[in-house]
Amino acid sequence: SAVISQKPSRDICQRGTSLTIQCQVDSQVTMMFWYRQQPGQSLTLIATANQGSEATYESGFVIDKFPISRPNLTFSTLTVSNMSPEDSSIYLCSVSDRDDGYTFGSGTRLTVV
Amino acid sequence: QKEVEQNSGPLSVPEGAIASLNCTYSDRGSQSFFWYRQYSGKSPELIMFIYSNGDKEDGRFTAQLNKASQYVSLLIRDSQPSDSATYLCAVTGGGYNKLIFGAGTRLAVHP
Repeated sequence: SAVISQKPSRDICQRGTSLTIQCQVDSQVTMMFWYRQQPGQSLTLIATANQGSEATYESGFVIDKFPISRPNLTFSTLTVSNMSPEDSSIYLCSVSDRDDGYTFGSGTRLTVV
Repeated sequence: QKEVEQNSGPLSVPEGAIASLNCTYSDRGSQSFFWYRQYSGKSPELIMFIYSNGDKEDGRFTAQLNKASQYVSLLIRDSQPSDSATYLCAVTGGGYNKLIFGAGTRLAVHP
């Protein structure tokens, strides 16, 4: 199955700043997915990132707040912009692995103070 | 109505017993169904996926799918304390085959 390297693993950020999270996959994948997991909650899909086109955002998530880049088939970034304490969550990237379902990165634990 | 529903638990079972986890989904067009296990502070780990009606077994785990009833379940036989975790049901939906997760069921296996 695909192996995903996600970084940073955690960060503490000041409100009003931005953080960029990176995901590197060891194989080429068509779609990458970005999720948020708020404390004690399940995973909520933020957006789907395709190479060469704009990301598709889910209801409640907007590009100005969560800009995504997908420059090639093995890499994507998610930026959390103008952060507030409500953005404190775990952010996860995921890829669809045809033989083994969907694989997740190790997650980025973000705390906004 | 939530797209994927699970009982949040906690579901408490004694060691060696069968744990039964249930999930219902609303989108009849869903094609693929997944069970993930998530330990506290860790990312979700795929346990099983199932595409066709019926049962699929893998070691101590059995996934059951009934598309007519829009119901998927996970049975864990011979439950162990190490199985204590949150179990997430997920189904594919939407044009991009995105995964939609249920709220998760906390399982506690006590010695």
